Parts: sequence; C-alpha cells; structure tokens
Amino acid sequence: AQTVTQSQPEMSVQEAETVTLSCTYDTSESDYYLFWYKQPPSRQMILVIRQEAYKQQNATENRFSVNFQKAAKSFSLKISDSQLGDAAMYFCAYRNRDDKIIFGKGTRLHILP
Amino acid sequence: GAGVSQSPSNKVTEKGKDVELRCDPISGHTALYWYRQRLGQGLEFLIYFQGNSAPDKSGLPSDRFSAERTGESVSTLTIQRTQQEDSAVYLCASSPSTYEQYFGPGTRLTVT
Repeated sequence: AQTVTQSQPEMSVQEAETVTLSCTYDTSESDYYLFWYKQPPSRQMILVIRQEAYKQQNATENRFSVNFQKAAKSFSLKISDSQLGDAAMYFCAYRNRDDKIIFGKGTRLHILP
Repeated sequence: GAGVSQSPSNKVTEKGKDVELRCDPISGHTALYWYRQRLGQGLEFLIYFQGNSAPDKSGLPSDRFSAERTGESVSTLTIQRTQQEDSAVYLCASSPSTYEQYFGPGTRLTVT
C-alpha cells in the first residue's frame, strides 16, 4: 500500500523569506500524480500545485514550486517570498492509478511578520 | 459553476444517535471521496466511489459507518450509534478522472 510521509509537523518562516516543506512517499507504481493542498483556518482545502510522475520538469505555480525526485520518492514544496496569507496546514497527497488518493499528516506553516 | 457542497455545515448530536451527512459533487465528476479530519490532524480516508465500480470501503473505521452514492450524483455518509470519538470534520471531495480533487467545506460533527 502506498504511504505519504510529512516529517515536519510545524514550520515557521519570516515573511518574504523562502521555506521548503518536505514530503516522501512509498509506492511500487511508476505512473501516478502528486499534489500539495493548503488548508487555511477556514478549513477549505485548496489545491496549490500538481505534478505528474511521468514529467521530469518540476511544476511551478507563481511563488510555489516543487522539487520532484522520482527515484528518491521525494516531493518537496518551496514557497518563495512568503506572505502572511500562506499561513495554513499543507498536505502532500498521492493519487494512484486506481484514483485512490492518500494524504500525509500535514505540516502547519507559520509566517512570522 | 457550483462547487462541491455538503450539508449540514454543523451537526450536534447525542451519543447513540444516528446521523446522515450529505455531499453534492460537481456535476460530471466520476469519483467521490469521504475523509475524516479530527481536530488538528490530517485527512483520514474513509471511502471512495468511482463511477459504477464497487466502492473502496477500506478506510471505514467500523461497521457503524456506511456510505451510498446514487450513480454519479449525491452521496450520503451514515454513522450509526454515534460515539464521542466520531466527533470530527467530515470532508467530501469529487474529481474528474486523473485530476485533482475538489473539496467541499466539510461538516463539523460534534457528539455530546
């Protein structure tokens, strides 16, 4: 069975600085999707970024980018120029070929003004 | 267009009562998921429907939990004989095949 591990329960970063959230996963599949979701205090889950495993190029969405290392089964999220609105829980998620999606336990990100 | 909706947004019930939580997915989305999120915790997978295939019930924590889905539309999660440990936010998400999930706002269940 696939598993997703986020080893950092909490992180803090100074406003305008860069922070990296780590995620590793375990799978025997070669074709899958990876996601980062953000959950602010409103509890609404928001998709931040998506990566297809067959693509070697790292996905980027404005200030958010990933470092996808397929061989190492690592999928970290980098947030550049951190803003107060980035404070939230961040979840890494894995979608397998049967469309089942598994989430990590999350990282709570604090932005320090 | 309309997103995923869930009702009720909040539910307070007495221990031992049955509750039904409803999810209306985005039209045309073949996949529908239910998750449980306890306070300050991650998302715990409960059940997954994909089209007309048999649902994946591997995450249901006990036989008090069940879910149904009518075709590719509404889903209902039922919890029988609720316990205080069932208190959590229950999140529903729908998805077109191979893409990301779209989440509803959740139902906060409190068992007193």
